[in-house]
Amino acid sequence: GAGVSQSPRYKVAKRGQDVALRCDPISGHVSLFWYQQALGQGPEFLTYFQNEAQLDKSGLPSDRFFAERPEGSVSTLKIQRTQQEDSAVYLCASSLVGQGSQPQHFGDGTRLSIL
Amino acid sequence: KNQVEQSPQSLIILEGKNCTLQCNYTVSPFSNLRWYKQDTGRGPVSLTIMTFSENTKSNGRYTATLDADTKQSSLHITASQLSDSASYICVVLRGTGTASKLTFGTGTRLQVTL
Repeated sequence: GAGVSQSPRYKVAKRGQDVALRCDPISGHVSLFWYQQALGQGPEFLTYFQNEAQLDKSGLPSDRFFAERPEGSVSTLKIQRTQQEDSAVYLCASSLVGQGSQPQHFGDGTRLSIL
Repeated sequence: KNQVEQSPQSLIILEGKNCTLQCNYTVSPFSNLRWYKQDTGRGPVSLTIMTFSENTKSNGRYTATLDADTKQSSLHITASQLSDSASYICVVLRGTGTASKLTFGTGTRLQVTL
């Protein structure tokens, strides 16, 4: 597709369940980013991939959060044993290379609600 | 602390009017500053990217300014339209290369009314 695609668009899970969120970046984009956006706030950085290498995971809030991009294209963000504070919109973005002068292209996010 | 602060938090204007949104940052070392537009339920869309040496950049009815000395930026919207209703987020890139990181403001929520 022409843009960054995220699925599902909405996810409702019970506390304690595991969830997996998918991101399809723009074809040919080397860099991929995950962000968490709470209601009324700006996005907060979670993790960054360059191709299949996870170069920065300093924003992941706990070891329950895990991200992968095994073939350097599609990425999955997994949250284990979900808690209510994990409720947020999870945004994925991609860029040609790095995040220097290149704009990041965002998907429309996955809205996660933990009951 | 590396922060990006935006004002006002929200703004309501009549269609056709102009408005200016403000962004102050303390991010260091500065690499570039971006303005994004985020419609409700959608991902942010890039409007402008400005480096240290640029002090004005336009994108249609949007004009961004940057004063790197005072660490301030503004986004001016001319002849507003209903479709301009959205959150406008100021974002500063800190550092370079693989160590670089984006710091996002909390946004200004703009509502354009008839």
